[in-house]
Amino acid sequence: DTEVTQTPKHLVMGMTNKKSLKCEQHMGHRAMYWYKQKAKKPPELMFVYSYEKLSINESVPSRFSPECPNSSLLNLHLHALQPEDSALYLCASSRTGTSGSNEQYFGPGTRLTVT
Amino acid sequence: KQEVTQIPAALSVPEGENLVLNCSFTDSAIYNLQWFRQDPGKGLTSLLLIQSSQREQTSGRLNASLDKSSGRSTLYIAASQPGDSATYLCAVMDSSYKLIFGSGTRLLVRP
Repeated sequence: DTEVTQTPKHLVMGMTNKKSLKCEQHMGHRAMYWYKQKAKKPPELMFVYSYEKLSINESVPSRFSPECPNSSLLNLHLHALQPEDSALYLCASSRTGTSGSNEQYFGPGTRLTVT
Repeated sequence: KQEVTQIPAALSVPEGENLVLNCSFTDSAIYNLQWFRQDPGKGLTSLLLIQSSQREQTSGRLNASLDKSSGRSTLYIAASQPGDSATYLCAVMDSSYKLIFGSGTRLLVRP
């Protein structure tokens, strides 16, 4: 099973709302990632968790708050977003975060629209 | 700073044709290179992973090569089918274990 699941598939939120994106994997992977992808652009790394600890934050604004409650689950909490934050948010996982042999497996993404 | 470039940006071919997608990167200090497929509005599907010590990988009708010293990779698709229509992304894992993506090649295979 090489599946990464993400919920919800679509999310529309106002600029004053608080919402969360969820990502789950059951492959025993110990590294999980959040990427942001704007239309017709490649994915851009936001955060990396390795062994449930935040190891990389790519200078992401604080209105995005990641959380890794356990090795299978990754959340992205959203608060006071701007319309320019509308994008496809992708989650990925890999066996570890510090091995050059790792393959990253991606979920289907959450399409976020901020109104 | 690692930069990844994919040429062409878009490609349209008739069904059955063999085709090559190109990927180049500026820093040869990479751990691996992955090719992904992305259908419109969907997530990424991993196609092939080539370790930095390898020269090529094959999966079905797909063959990917890597020339680390020249900073190039190619994805060869044999006997293309309409179902191969998608955006193909290459990504290199840099020295800090981050995946750096190219902008992709949008492929259309015409029936």
